[in-house]
Amino acid sequence: EPEVTQTPSHQVTQMGQEVILRCVPISNHLYFYWYRQILGQKVEFLVSFYNNEISEKSEIFDDQFSVERPDGSNFTLKIRSTKLEDSAMYFCASLQGSGNTIYFGEGSWLTVV
Amino acid sequence: GQNIDQPTEMTATEGAIVQINCTYQTSGFNGLFWYQQHAGEAPTFLSYNVLDGLEEKGRFSSFLSRSKGYSYLLLKELQMKDSASYLCAFLKAPGNTGKLIFGQGTTLQVKP
Repeated sequence: EPEVTQTPSHQVTQMGQEVILRCVPISNHLYFYWYRQILGQKVEFLVSFYNNEISEKSEIFDDQFSVERPDGSNFTLKIRSTKLEDSAMYFCASLQGSGNTIYFGEGSWLTVV
Repeated sequence: GQNIDQPTEMTATEGAIVQINCTYQTSGFNGLFWYQQHAGEAPTFLSYNVLDGLEEKGRFSSFLSRSKGYSYLLLKELQMKDSASYLCAFLKAPGNTGKLIFGQGTTLQVKP
Protein backbone atom coordinates (compact mmCIF):
# COMPACT_ATOMS: atom_id res chain seq x y z
CA GLU A 1 0.00 0.00 0.00
CA PRO A 2 1.42 3.43 -0.90
CA GLU A 3 2.38 5.56 2.05
CA VAL A 4 3.47 9.01 3.09
CA THR A 5 7.07 8.95 4.31
CA GLN A 6 8.72 11.46 6.61
CA THR A 7 12.26 12.23 7.71
CA PRO A 8 13.71 12.53 10.23
CA SER A 9 11.69 10.38 12.58
CA HIS A 10 13.15 12.24 15.54
CA GLN A 11 15.14 15.47 15.79
CA VAL A 12 16.51 17.32 18.78
CA THR A 13 17.42 20.94 18.20
CA GLN A 14 18.46 23.94 20.25
CA MET A 15 16.09 26.83 20.69
CA GLY A 16 16.56 29.41 17.97
CA GLN A 17 17.86 26.94 15.40
CA GLU A 18 16.25 26.31 12.04
CA VAL A 19 14.64 22.95 11.38
CA ILE A 20 13.49 21.40 8.13
CA LEU A 21 11.14 18.44 8.21
CA ARG A 22 10.79 16.46 5.02
CA CYS A 23 7.93 14.50 3.56
CA VAL A 24 7.36 12.43 0.45
CA PRO A 25 3.59 12.32 -0.16
CA ILE A 26 1.88 9.51 -2.03
CA SER A 27 2.92 9.86 -5.65
CA ASN A 28 -0.41 10.58 -7.37
CA HIS A 29 -1.70 12.86 -4.63
CA LEU A 30 -2.28 16.52 -5.31
CA TYR A 31 -2.96 18.06 -1.90
CA PHE A 32 -0.44 18.15 0.89
CA TYR A 33 -0.75 19.07 4.56
CA TRP A 34 1.14 19.50 7.78
CA TYR A 35 -0.40 18.79 11.16
CA ARG A 36 1.17 18.75 14.58
CA GLN A 37 0.41 17.06 17.88
CA ILE A 38 1.89 18.33 21.12
CA LEU A 39 2.37 15.47 23.58
CA GLY A 40 -0.95 14.57 25.18
CA GLN A 41 -2.93 17.02 23.09
CA LYS A 42 -5.09 16.85 20.01
CA VAL A 43 -3.89 16.79 16.43
CA GLU A 44 -3.90 20.34 15.01
CA PHE A 45 -4.02 21.54 11.42
CA LEU A 46 -1.12 23.74 10.35
CA VAL A 47 -1.26 24.26 6.60
CA SER A 48 -2.56 22.91 3.31
CA PHE A 49 -0.73 23.18 -0.02
CA TYR A 50 -2.01 22.74 -3.55
CA ASN A 51 -0.70 23.68 -6.97
CA ASN A 52 2.50 25.04 -5.48
CA GLU A 53 0.87 27.43 -3.08
CA ILE A 54 -0.65 27.52 0.37
CA SER A 55 -4.43 27.10 0.20
CA GLU A 56 -5.12 27.51 3.90
CA LYS A 57 -3.16 27.97 7.10
CA SER A 58 -4.03 28.06 10.77
CA GLU A 59 -3.18 30.73 13.33
CA ILE A 60 -0.36 28.46 14.53
CA PHE A 61 1.34 28.78 11.14
CA ASP A 62 2.96 32.16 11.71
CA ASP A 63 5.93 33.81 9.98
CA GLN A 64 8.33 31.34 11.58
CA PHE A 65 6.86 28.55 9.48
CA SER A 66 7.13 27.98 5.75
CA VAL A 67 6.42 25.15 3.36
CA GLU A 68 7.94 24.29 0.03
CA ARG A 69 7.71 21.68 -2.67
CA PRO A 70 11.25 21.99 -4.06
CA ASP A 71 10.89 19.18 -6.60
CA GLY A 72 8.29 16.74 -7.84
CA SER A 73 8.35 14.52 -4.80
CA ASN A 74 9.38 16.31 -1.59
CA PHE A 75 7.25 18.55 0.60
CA THR A 76 9.05 20.36 3.41
CA LEU A 77 8.13 22.25 6.55
CA LYS A 78 10.67 24.78 7.78
CA ILE A 79 10.68 26.37 11.20
CA ARG A 80 13.08 29.34 11.08
CA SER A 81 13.81 29.91 14.73
CA THR A 82 12.50 27.14 16.93
CA LYS A 83 10.90 27.78 20.30
CA LEU A 84 10.43 25.38 23.18
CA GLU A 85 6.71 25.26 22.46
CA ASP A 86 7.40 23.95 18.95
CA SER A 87 8.25 20.59 20.50
CA ALA A 88 5.67 18.23 19.03
CA MET A 89 5.07 15.41 16.60
CA TYR A 90 4.70 16.83 13.10
CA PHE A 91 2.62 14.84 10.65
CA CYS A 92 2.64 15.23 6.91
CA ALA A 93 -0.50 14.12 5.09
CA SER A 94 -1.73 13.93 1.54
CA LEU A 95 -4.96 13.64 -0.41
CA GLN A 96 -5.40 12.33 -3.92
CA GLY A 97 -8.02 14.84 -4.99
CA SER A 98 -10.80 12.44 -5.86
CA GLY A 99 -12.30 11.16 -2.65
CA ASN A 100 -11.55 12.62 0.73
CA THR A 101 -9.29 10.09 2.43
CA ILE A 102 -6.36 11.92 3.96
CA TYR A 103 -3.36 9.69 4.65
CA PHE A 104 -0.86 10.55 7.35
CA GLY A 105 2.87 9.89 7.49
CA GLU A 106 4.53 8.31 10.50
CA GLY A 107 5.47 11.67 11.93
CA SER A 108 8.62 13.56 12.85
CA TRP A 109 9.12 14.04 16.54
CA LEU A 110 10.74 17.42 17.18
CA THR A 111 12.25 18.21 20.56
CA VAL A 112 13.44 21.77 21.15
CA VAL A 113 15.82 22.17 24.08
CA GLY B 1 -17.80 28.43 16.12
CA GLN B 2 -16.61 24.89 15.85
CA ASN B 3 -16.31 22.19 18.44
CA ILE B 4 -15.92 18.46 18.64
CA ASP B 5 -16.39 16.27 21.70
CA GLN B 6 -15.73 12.65 22.51
CA PRO B 7 -15.22 10.77 25.78
CA THR B 8 -11.69 10.81 27.11
CA GLU B 9 -11.43 7.18 28.14
CA MET B 10 -13.30 3.91 27.74
CA THR B 11 -12.64 0.37 28.89
CA ALA B 12 -14.03 -2.80 27.34
CA THR B 13 -13.46 -6.53 27.44
CA GLU B 14 -11.84 -8.63 24.76
CA GLY B 15 -14.50 -10.09 22.44
CA ALA B 16 -17.08 -7.46 23.36
CA ILE B 17 -18.57 -4.58 21.37
CA VAL B 18 -17.84 -0.94 22.15
CA GLN B 19 -19.36 2.25 20.78
CA ILE B 20 -17.39 5.49 20.85
CA ASN B 21 -19.54 8.59 20.42
CA CYS B 22 -18.60 11.92 18.91
CA THR B 23 -20.55 15.15 18.67
CA TYR B 24 -19.53 18.15 16.64
CA GLN B 25 -20.55 21.69 15.79
CA THR B 26 -19.35 23.50 12.70
CA SER B 27 -20.52 25.95 10.09
CA GLY B 28 -18.91 24.11 7.18
CA PHE B 29 -18.93 20.34 7.07
CA ASN B 30 -17.50 18.03 4.44
CA GLY B 31 -17.43 14.66 6.15
CA LEU B 32 -16.54 12.87 9.37
CA PHE B 33 -13.44 10.76 9.82
CA TRP B 34 -12.38 8.22 12.39
CA TYR B 35 -8.71 7.50 12.91
CA GLN B 36 -6.93 5.05 15.17
CA GLN B 37 -3.75 6.21 16.86
CA HIS B 38 -1.39 4.08 18.90
CA ALA B 39 0.87 5.96 21.30
CA GLY B 40 3.71 7.71 19.49
CA GLU B 41 2.44 6.73 16.06
CA ALA B 42 0.56 8.38 13.22
CA PRO B 43 -3.23 8.40 12.94
CA THR B 44 -4.38 5.52 10.77
CA PHE B 45 -7.52 5.99 8.67
CA LEU B 46 -10.49 3.87 9.76
CA SER B 47 -13.59 5.35 8.17
CA TYR B 48 -15.17 8.30 6.42
CA ASN B 49 -18.85 9.30 6.43
CA VAL B 50 -20.23 12.14 4.38
CA LEU B 51 -23.87 11.01 4.15
CA ASP B 52 -26.17 9.97 6.98
CA GLY B 53 -26.18 6.34 7.88
CA LEU B 54 -23.95 3.44 8.74
CA GLU B 55 -20.76 2.46 6.96
CA GLU B 56 -19.46 -1.02 7.76
CA LYS B 57 -15.93 -2.21 7.22
CA GLY B 58 -15.11 -5.54 8.81
CA ARG B 59 -15.12 -5.28 12.59
CA PHE B 60 -15.49 -1.51 12.42
CA SER B 61 -18.62 0.48 11.62
CA SER B 62 -19.21 4.20 11.66
CA PHE B 63 -22.47 6.09 11.80
CA LEU B 64 -23.27 9.70 10.97
CA SER B 65 -26.26 11.93 11.60
CA ARG B 66 -25.58 15.36 10.10
CA SER B 67 -28.76 16.91 11.48
CA LYS B 68 -27.75 15.93 15.01
CA GLY B 69 -24.03 16.60 14.59
CA TYR B 70 -23.39 13.10 15.86
CA SER B 71 -21.26 10.13 14.90
CA TYR B 72 -20.20 6.92 16.51
CA LEU B 73 -17.57 4.28 15.86
CA LEU B 74 -18.59 0.72 16.64
CA LEU B 75 -15.91 -1.87 17.23
CA LYS B 76 -16.98 -5.52 17.34
CA GLU B 77 -15.18 -8.63 18.54
CA LEU B 78 -12.65 -6.51 20.38
CA GLN B 79 -9.04 -7.64 20.34
CA MET B 80 -6.21 -6.60 22.63
CA LYS B 81 -4.55 -4.82 19.70
CA ASP B 82 -7.56 -2.50 19.49
CA SER B 83 -6.27 -0.73 22.60
CA ALA B 84 -5.48 2.70 21.19
CA SER B 85 -6.75 6.23 20.93
CA TYR B 86 -9.65 6.78 18.53
CA LEU B 87 -9.82 10.20 16.95
CA CYS B 88 -12.98 11.73 15.61
CA ALA B 89 -12.42 14.54 13.10
CA PHE B 90 -14.58 16.52 10.75
CA LEU B 91 -13.43 17.94 7.46
CA LYS B 92 -14.02 21.63 7.04
CA ALA B 93 -15.50 22.71 3.74
CA PRO B 94 -14.15 23.06 1.13
CA GLY B 95 -12.86 19.55 1.52
CA ASN B 96 -9.73 19.86 -0.58
CA THR B 97 -8.12 22.25 1.89
CA GLY B 98 -7.75 19.17 4.07
CA LYS B 99 -8.50 21.03 7.24
CA LEU B 100 -9.42 18.28 9.64
CA ILE B 101 -10.62 19.42 13.04
CA PHE B 102 -9.79 16.71 15.54
CA GLY B 103 -11.33 15.83 18.84
CA GLN B 104 -9.18 15.09 21.84
CA GLY B 105 -9.39 11.37 21.16
CA THR B 106 -10.89 8.51 23.15
CA THR B 107 -8.37 6.18 24.77
CA LEU B 108 -9.77 2.69 24.61
CA GLN B 109 -8.35 0.03 26.88
CA VAL B 110 -9.25 -3.55 26.03
CA LYS B 111 -8.93 -5.94 28.94
CA PRO B 112 -8.71 -9.74 28.81
